Amino acid sequence: EIVMTQSPATLSVSPGERATLSCRASESVSSKLAWYQQKPGQAPRLLIYGASTRATGIPARFSGSGSGTEFTLTISSLQSEDFAVYYCQQYNNWPPKVTFGPGTKVDIK
Amino acid sequence: EVQLVESGGGLVQPGGSLRLSCAGSGFTFSGYEMNWVRQAPGKGLEWVSYSSSSGGTLYYADSVKGRFTISRDNAKNSLYLQLNSLRAEDTAVYYCARDDTGSDAFDIWGQGTMVTVSS
Repeated sequence: EIVMTQSPATLSVSPGERATLSCRASESVSSKLAWYQQKPGQAPRLLIYGASTRATGIPARFSGSGSGTEFTLTISSLQSEDFAVYYCQQYNNWPPKVTFGPGTKVDIK
Repeated sequence: EVQLVESGGGLVQPGGSLRLSCAGSGFTFSGYEMNWVRQAPGKGLEWVSYSSSSGGTLYYADSVKGRFTISRDNAKNSLYLQLNSLRAEDTAVYYCARDDTGSDAFDIWGQGTMVTVSS
C-alpha cells in the first residue's frame, strides 16, 4: 500500500503570507495526486488534481507542483478563509484504492 | 446545483448494523463512479469503498472487507453502504464522494452522516 506523509503537521502563518505544504508518497504516484481543504464541521473540498490543475472555482492563489513522490501545495497570500486542514491524496493505479495523507493544519500566527 | 446528501447515521451497539444512503442530484448519477470515505473524530480521511457507475465493480478497504457492502440504485440516483458487525473503531463521519470522470479525484462530497458505535 502506498503511504502518504505530510509536513509540517501544523503551519502557523500570518494573513497575507505565503504557505508551503509538502506531501510525500512512499513510491511513485506519477501525477495522480490531489489536494483537499477541510474546514471544521465541513466536508473536504477538492482544490487541486493531477498534482497541478486547479479544480473548478478554486482561486489562483492555490497552486500545486511535483510528480513522482514529492509534491507541494502553495498558497501565495493567505486569506482568512484559508485557515483549515489540507490533505493530499494519491490515486495512482485507481481503483481499487486511494490513500490520504494525515493532513497539515494551517492556523493563524 | 450538483449535490450529494447522506442519511442513515446514528448510534448503534457493537455488533449491530446500519444502512447509509447518499442521494445525488444536479448531475447524471448513473454516469459516475462513487465512493464512501470516513473520518473518525479528530482524525484524517480514510477511503472505505468504491462502486463503478453501473455497480458491477466494487472495492473495499481491508478494514471493512467482509463487513460492509456498497450498492447503488441508479434509477433512484442513490448510493448505499450497508454496515454490519460494527465495531467501536467504525465510529466516524461517513461521506459519499463523486469520482470525477476526467481526473479520478473526488470532486463532489456530501455533508456527511455520523455513525457512533457504542454500548
